[in-house]
Amino acid sequence: AQSVTQLDSQVPVFEEAPVELRCNYSSSVSVYLFWYVQYPNQGLQLLLKYLSGSTLVKGINGFEAEFNKSQTSFHLRKPSVHISDTAEYFCAVSDRGYQKVTFGTGTKLQVIP
Amino acid sequence: DGGITQSPKYLFRKEGQNVTLSCEQNLNHDAMYWYRQDPGQGLRLIYYSQIVNDFQKGDIAEGYSVSREKKESFPLTVTSAQKNPTAFYLCASSMGPETGSQHFGDGTRLSIL
Repeated sequence: AQSVTQLDSQVPVFEEAPVELRCNYSSSVSVYLFWYVQYPNQGLQLLLKYLSGSTLVKGINGFEAEFNKSQTSFHLRKPSVHISDTAEYFCAVSDRGYQKVTFGTGTKLQVIP
Repeated sequence: DGGITQSPKYLFRKEGQNVTLSCEQNLNHDAMYWYRQDPGQGLRLIYYSQIVNDFQKGDIAEGYSVSREKKESFPLTVTSAQKNPTAFYLCASSMGPETGSQHFGDGTRLSIL
C-alpha cells in the first residue's frame, strides 16, 4: 500500500517571498511522484512529475521539486511567489506500472499582498 | 483543443433519486477515473477503467456505478444507496500505465435538495 502525507494544510506567504510545500510518501516499491494545482471550482492541473533520472524536477509556473529517496520526500518549492499562485496544491504517488494514484489531503497556499 | 468535459457543472439530487454525471474525453486516453473530493480529505478514488468494457472499484465505490461502453465516455451514476453524496466529483484520464499523470475535467458539484 502507498500513502502520501502533506504536513501543512495551509501555508500563508507574502508575495515575492519563497515557499516550500512539504510532501512525504510511503511505499514498498519504486514510485512515480506528482504535484498538482487546483484553483477554486476547477479540476486539477499537473505542475510537475518525477518518473526517473534527475532528482530535481522543474515544472510549470516556476515551480520545482526535489525527490529525496532516503527521506521519502518530494517537497515543492518556488523562489518567489505571485498572487496568482494562491491555490490548493496536491502531492500524489503511484506505484510504477500501476495506474492507481494516491493523493495527499492538499495544502492551501495563500499569497498575501 | 483536447480535454475532458464534465457536465453538468452543478447538480441537485432529491432523496431516493439516482443521478448520472457525464464525463467525455477527446484525448484518446485509454484510462479514465472518477474521484470524489471533500474539504480536507483530498481526492478519493471511486472507480477506474483501463480499457473499454472493463472497470474496477476504487476505495469508495459503494453507492456508485459506472459504465465504459466507449473509449471517450465514462459516466458515473450516484445511486440512492449513497447516503452522503454531497461532494465535488472529478473525472480524469491518462494515457497509459507508464506515466500515471492525469488530465482532469472541471468537476461537477452535487448537492442534496
